[in-house]
Amino acid sequence: DAGITQSPRHKVTETGTPVTLRCHQTENHRYMYWYRQDPGHGLRLIHYSYGVKDTDKGEVSDGYSVSRSKTEDFLLTLESATSSQTSVYFCAINRDGNTEAFFGQGTRLTVV
Amino acid sequence: DQQVKQNSPSLSVQEGRISILNCDYTNSMFDYFLWYKKYPAEGPTFLISISSIKDKNEDGRFTVFLNKSAKHLSLHIVPSQPGDSAVYFCAAKSPGSSGSARQLTFGSGTQLTVLP
Repeated sequence: DAGITQSPRHKVTETGTPVTLRCHQTENHRYMYWYRQDPGHGLRLIHYSYGVKDTDKGEVSDGYSVSRSKTEDFLLTLESATSSQTSVYFCAINRDGNTEAFFGQGTRLTVV
Repeated sequence: DQQVKQNSPSLSVQEGRISILNCDYTNSMFDYFLWYKKYPAEGPTFLISISSIKDKNEDGRFTVFLNKSAKHLSLHIVPSQPGDSAVYFCAAKSPGSSGSARQLTFGSGTQLTVLP
């Protein structure tokens, strides 16, 4: 199994509060991604990173920000959580951007 | 507008028979296709892939077929086993510019149930 750890695995938070999800990898892969999974939508890309301090937006980036200060860590922040951000969030890593991506176990976030 | 579509949300198959999962895409720039399998409460796991220069790739019980003219790919599982019961996602990549991540675009998934 690829060395990817997501934390926390479950979180319940209130509308309007900030939330940070962490993805940690031990594979030294260059590319890291944050996806969200919602019924009927599959997995949709939120943000991705192609190196330390190098990030870009994905398909559904509104309301989210990311940071990557070290190769191994990719943080996803919801500055002010909304109920529409209730979802399962997956982190993925990829060595060179061309091969298959490996996914973490996911974080189930509920915004009440 | 979904660029990758899996029009069957669910499929039930008898153990030992063939499972065929289908996927359609609209973006002709996609040049690499993948299938992922997902069990409940776990992350997706890579299953098999195919480059657009091929029309078939086989790995044990799993075969992926690509029909570029129809913009269609399918995953065949033979023989199907109860442990194959999971959600299967089709995904596609397009050529990326330098520094980009060659993002994966996913379909909405098909729940496969293999009945014993």
